[in-house]
Amino acid sequence: QVQLQESGPGLVKPSETLSLMCTVSGDGISDYYWNWIRQPPGKGLEWIGYAHIGVVRNTESSNYNPSLKSRVTVSADGPNNQFSLKVKSVTAADTAVYYCAREVCSGGSCYLDLWGQGTTVIVSS
Amino acid sequence: QSALTQPPSASGSPGQSVTISCTGTSSDIGDKKSVSWYRRHPGEAPKLLIFEVNKRPSGVPDRFSGSKSGNTASLTVSGLQADDEAEYFCCSYAGTNNYVVFGGGTKLTVL
Repeated sequence: QVQLQESGPGLVKPSETLSLMCTVSGDGISDYYWNWIRQPPGKGLEWIGYAHIGVVRNTESSNYNPSLKSRVTVSADGPNNQFSLKVKSVTAADTAVYYCAREVCSGGSCYLDLWGQGTTVIVSS
Repeated sequence: QSALTQPPSASGSPGQSVTISCTGTSSDIGDKKSVSWYRRHPGEAPKLLIFEVNKRPSGVPDRFSGSKSGNTASLTVSGLQADDEAEYFCCSYAGTNNYVVFGGGTKLTVL
């Protein structure tokens, strides 16, 4: 059974970098899209971005929400079955529950088939 | 403000059916077959209920069904059970770069 688990500090100071890790157990991470999604208090879900490791040539690619692209990096660590999120220069607006999720694409259709439970990150001094 | 519009709440009695709508635009739901639905109980990981508009993953009962008409997708939960009380949200993709977009979520109450 494949499971995803987020980890990282629950409190980050303004202007610093938020760093989270998602550990995947039960399967490898090649050939899937590994996403980060967040939900600020009282608001809806917001897609942050993904990293993808291709099976052929072991190449990595990424894609980001245009509104966050300048501050975020999502990267995958195939050998350790993990992928990470970094958000630079955080403000209170980055306070949210952060989820990692696996995305499957097949036959022209994509969907998020597995999610972590989410981890709360508060930005405060 | 979420890209896709869902009603904030819905309700029904045990055994009844409830339909939750998800309205987007011709650039997302109207243009994509990648429409999915998820259920989330408080403190738990979201669970995939429907993908590709109307397909169910293995293990999801046929009480859950999805459909799409134009720019609006719908999730119907039939034979409501107490455990169906949860938040439901929709998901699709937007634009040529296929950015993921979500609905704001619908809190379903089983009366």
